[in-house]
Amino acid sequence: GIQVEQSPPDLILQEGANSTLRCNFSDSVNNLQWFHQNPWGQLINLFYIPSGTKQNGRLSATTVATERYSLLYISSSQTTDSGVYFCAVEGRGGSYIPTFGRGTSLIVHP
Amino acid sequence: SQTIHQWPATLVQPVGSPLSLECTVEGTSNPNLYWYRQAAGRGLQLLFYSVGIGQISSEVPQNLSASRPQDRQFILSSKKLLLSDSGFYLCAWSVTSGYEQYFGPGTRLTVT
Repeated sequence: GIQVEQSPPDLILQEGANSTLRCNFSDSVNNLQWFHQNPWGQLINLFYIPSGTKQNGRLSATTVATERYSLLYISSSQTTDSGVYFCAVEGRGGSYIPTFGRGTSLIVHP
Repeated sequence: SQTIHQWPATLVQPVGSPLSLECTVEGTSNPNLYWYRQAAGRGLQLLFYSVGIGQISSEVPQNLSASRPQDRQFILSSKKLLLSDSGFYLCAWSVTSGYEQYFGPGTRLTVT
């Protein structure tokens, strides 16, 4: 099946700093999503982005499907950005099986 | 708008006891439904998915089972829990394959 690798695994920032999270995948995809898991465990949808660039406030994401990677940018980080960020992809094999990366754990200090 | 519910939120069960976790979706019809488990260490493991009533696919052989008795209801069960069944169980839905997934609030299960 498709492999998904996220980097870095852990990230510690001071409030106000910018960061870039990366998601590499091993095959062509139909679907790519970024999620934020808050400290209570809730998975929150950030972006549905199989290709192209999207922005939502301080967050933006870019997927370069031909090169099999996606980037999540967080600007002017806030303590509420803390949590784990997951990338999930669905390959083009016609299955219904999303594959998650192991996530990037982000801690933002005040 | 669509909403997804899971209950209970937390559960502590002894080894060997049965399990039933419920997930329901409102505001959509014939969704794809998914059960995931997240153990300590972050990764989400897909356990079951369903594309319609009575249609269940299992991704991981184990002592858990799933059922979809109604269009928007997905149930995760076990006849006898093991210690290794402890974890955070998440239900999700999507309109169909290839579309956004939306997750419920999760159930934190501790098997003692």
